[in-house]
Amino acid sequence: DQQVKQNSPSLSVQEGRISILNCDYTNSMFDYFLWYKKYPAEGPTFLISISSIKDKNEDGRFTVFLNKSAKHLSLHIVPSQPGDSAVYFCAATYSGGGADGLTFGKGTHLIIQP
Amino acid sequence: GAGVSQSPSNKVTEKGKDVELRCDPISGHTALYWYRQSLGQGLEFLIYFQGNSAPDKSGLPSDRFSAERTGGSVSTLTIQRTQQEDSAVYLCASSPIARTGQPQHFGDGTRLSIL
Repeated sequence: DQQVKQNSPSLSVQEGRISILNCDYTNSMFDYFLWYKKYPAEGPTFLISISSIKDKNEDGRFTVFLNKSAKHLSLHIVPSQPGDSAVYFCAATYSGGGADGLTFGKGTHLIIQP
Repeated sequence: GAGVSQSPSNKVTEKGKDVELRCDPISGHTALYWYRQSLGQGLEFLIYFQGNSAPDKSGLPSDRFSAERTGGSVSTLTIQRTQQEDSAVYLCASSPIARTGQPQHFGDGTRLSIL
């Protein structure tokens, strides 16, 4: 059973516009969420995170929104740039989880069109 | 500074052989994680180390998988009697400590192909 779901395998956005990547989770114990970006043949790179005590976290062009009641988070990138073309993974974990490993979604391939 | 280093970057081997994958974490990082990514899937958590200790090995897919870490630095993931379903990219990550909220820094992975 997938605990973190990214239902859009791919997303195409025009350069300069806003990219919105979505993520849903089922485990209500998750209290910390992260977004990673991955280029082909490279490891994932940490982008931004959010704790469940917040509903928004912003870092430059990247903003993550968390809706706990809906068990939904989203990553907004504005303005989108060609270098943003990559696979984006949503990940979740919880305090006291013991293993502290991250639970990842399957990823969304973002394509920025010129 | 140097990031997480994994070797080999690619490994092709025959079914039934043993393989050993190596991870060299960022210097000073005490926490080390292993994940694998099968084709079309997200990353699957396998095991983590805090120092040389692995508190929970339940994420390892079968008893053919084992991992160790010595000297609080380099870790090896060993797969015995490889099967075709073991084909995947094996990723290692490290963080300063194993604590919620500490972003994990990933290496570029080892692409393992079992013929």
